[in-house]
Amino acid sequence: GAVVSQHPSRVICKSGTSVKIECRSLDFQATTMFWYRQFPKQSLMLMATSNEGSKATYEQGVEKDKFLINHASLTLSTLTVTSAHPEDSSFYICSARQSIAKNIQYFGAGTRLSVL
Amino acid sequence: SQQGEEDPQALSIQEGENATMNCSYKTSINNLQWYRQNSGRGLVHLILIRSNEREKHSGRLRVTLDTSKKSSSLLITASRAADTASYFCATDAGGYQKVTFGIGTKLQVIP
Repeated sequence: GAVVSQHPSRVICKSGTSVKIECRSLDFQATTMFWYRQFPKQSLMLMATSNEGSKATYEQGVEKDKFLINHASLTLSTLTVTSAHPEDSSFYICSARQSIAKNIQYFGAGTRLSVL
Repeated sequence: SQQGEEDPQALSIQEGENATMNCSYKTSINNLQWYRQNSGRGLVHLILIRSNEREKHSGRLRVTLDTSKKSSSLLITASRAADTASYFCATDAGGYQKVTFGIGTKLQVIP
C-alpha cells in the first residue's frame, strides 16, 4: 500500500514554456502533499507544503508565482513551473503523508525537468 | 536549522560487509526517519524511530538513536549489491509537521 504516482518522469521543454507535474496518492487519501527540489548530489529541499482545499505554504525563497501548486482533491496535487528557464532544470519530487501521527512520507518517483 | 547531517557522505564496501551510516542533528526531535533513494528515483521510507526509543530493527537494518548526543546510526548488515543507493536521515520536530532531510550518504556495495 501507500503508493504515490508522479507524472511525467521526465520532461524536456523550451525556455518560456510552462510545465505541469502531477502527484497522485493511489491507495490512500493524502490531506498533505509536499514538493521538493533536488540538485545533483544534494539533499531534498522542501519547496512547499500542499494542503487539500487550501493554499500551499511555500518555503522561504521559493517564488509562489513561479511554482504554482494546486491540491484540488485528497489524491491529487499538481506543481506547475511557469515560464520555465534553464535554471529551473532540476529533479522535482513529490510526497504524500498518510498519517499525521507518524508523519511518514511516501514519495513519487520524481520528475527530471530539463529546460533548453 | 533542524537539518540532519549524515556521515560519511560516501561509503564503498564489499558485498557481505556491514555498512554503518551516522546522522547528527541540532535540536530536539519527535522522531527520526531513514529513507533510501536509488539513483534518479524517489525516496523509500525504511524505518522510523521515536525519540523515546533507543534501537529499532527491521530485517537487515538496525537503527539506533542517542538523543543526548543528537545522533542516530543506520546499520545494514550483510550488505548486497542491491543496497547500493543514497541514504537520508530525516528529522521530525513535531508540531509544525515538517520533516527535514539531511545531505545523505551515498553507499556503494561492490559485488
